[in-house]
Amino acid sequence: NAGVTQTPKFRVLKTGQSMTLLCAQDMNHEYMYWYRQDPGMGLRLIHYSVGEGTTAKGEVPDGYNVSRLKKQNFLLGLESAAPSQTSVYFCASSYRSGSPEQFFGPGTRLTVL
Amino acid sequence: LAKTTQPISMDSYEGQEVNITCSHNNIATNDYITWYQQFPSQGPRFIIQGYKTKVTNEVASLFIPADRKSSTLSLPRVSLSDTAVYYCLVGGGDFNKFYFGSGTKLNVKP
Repeated sequence: NAGVTQTPKFRVLKTGQSMTLLCAQDMNHEYMYWYRQDPGMGLRLIHYSVGEGTTAKGEVPDGYNVSRLKKQNFLLGLESAAPSQTSVYFCASSYRSGSPEQFFGPGTRLTVL
Repeated sequence: LAKTTQPISMDSYEGQEVNITCSHNNIATNDYITWYQQFPSQGPRFIIQGYKTKVTNEVASLFIPADRKSSTLSLPRVSLSDTAVYYCLVGGGDFNKFYFGSGTKLNVKP
């Protein structure tokens, strides 16, 4: 099993450009999450999904959109990137029942110039 | 989501036992206490989780007093490879969501 994978690993954008980050998991998890981590800080929840076709806002959702068209994939979109969105983005997934452990991907380092 | 308070940093030496205490005064009845480890340029990795009393696995122990307002992660005989940031998280009852604080940066010295 690959676990949680993220594409791309690195990306540089110019202000105003758009992009989509892809998260994929092969553990048949119902729940998926997108976080951002800024230097020296903990992770902050952007959006999450509790099932295919559902999404919900987290702690810092502004400037981001998400979609979960397939159970195994969770996409994070930036419609008009801003320098304040320079960060490392982590995706995670977890089972609906049982131990509420989240499994994390390796992260995507995004720089907005 | 209940917030947590933990030391910003700690130093230790190889072979010592390290205890990191976390305060979570507003923990809810259905919240779990979970600890994650994060190395630079990697995603967080699950260490241990508990609800009450003591939990032990092959990596660490977690001590939770009866009032559940704090918890202590115990790492036995740390090595240089245990140098990382350790996050104490409280939550899980609401779609498995957790609040990540700033974590404790553990520096293990030779």
